[in-house]
Amino acid sequence: EPEVTQTPSHQVTQMGQEVILRCVPISNHLYFYWYRQILGQKVEFLVSFYNNEISEKSEIFDDQFSVERPDGSNFTLKIRSTKLEDSAMYFCASSVSSYEQYFGPGTRLTVT
Amino acid sequence: KQEVTQIPAALSVPEGENLVLNCSFTDSAIYNLQWFRQDPGKGLTSLLLIQSSQREQTSGRLNASLDKSSGRSTLYIAASQPGDSATYLCATSLSGGYNKLIFGAGTRLAVHP
Repeated sequence: EPEVTQTPSHQVTQMGQEVILRCVPISNHLYFYWYRQILGQKVEFLVSFYNNEISEKSEIFDDQFSVERPDGSNFTLKIRSTKLEDSAMYFCASSVSSYEQYFGPGTRLTVT
Repeated sequence: KQEVTQIPAALSVPEGENLVLNCSFTDSAIYNLQWFRQDPGKGLTSLLLIQSSQREQTSGRLNASLDKSSGRSTLYIAASQPGDSATYLCATSLSGGYNKLIFGAGTRLAVHP
């Protein structure tokens, strides 16, 4: 069964460094999303991406964040200058049209 | 702004019990509602999706219902098993958007033998 994959599973970085989180969505899906979950808190929406552009973003998704679909298969989230409060589990999701979203296993980001 | 609330926050039951998890939402103009399972430190596994025009969906021992007018959904788990122990999350998307999901805090379920 097709699934969303994410790499790396765990990323440790120092404050101020740039990180890129990678996702491979399910191949025939058209909508792509990033969410995050700070330990012990709710899953929060960051950004949605459709037709090679951002379709919606949350207040969390400020100028430090960017997304890209560089090659038609990968979908990346970049954080330019990480802060301690960026430490969280980051989930990628994809969907066909407006239906069921399928989530990847997540990347645990630890900022020290 | 959509708010999603799940009650109870935690539940511990003996194996074999039938149980109900509750989800409520403030904005009834939802596009769909999705139930997920999350194991500790893991990703989200989609269990059931209910579109706004539907009243319920079933998959195996799971049944989810939706009452848009009252802003409620329930997840019914029949004959619970220890393997059902996990956190169950409810999430809604709103009509007119690009279907970003708004999540509840989840119900942490423990089924003991």
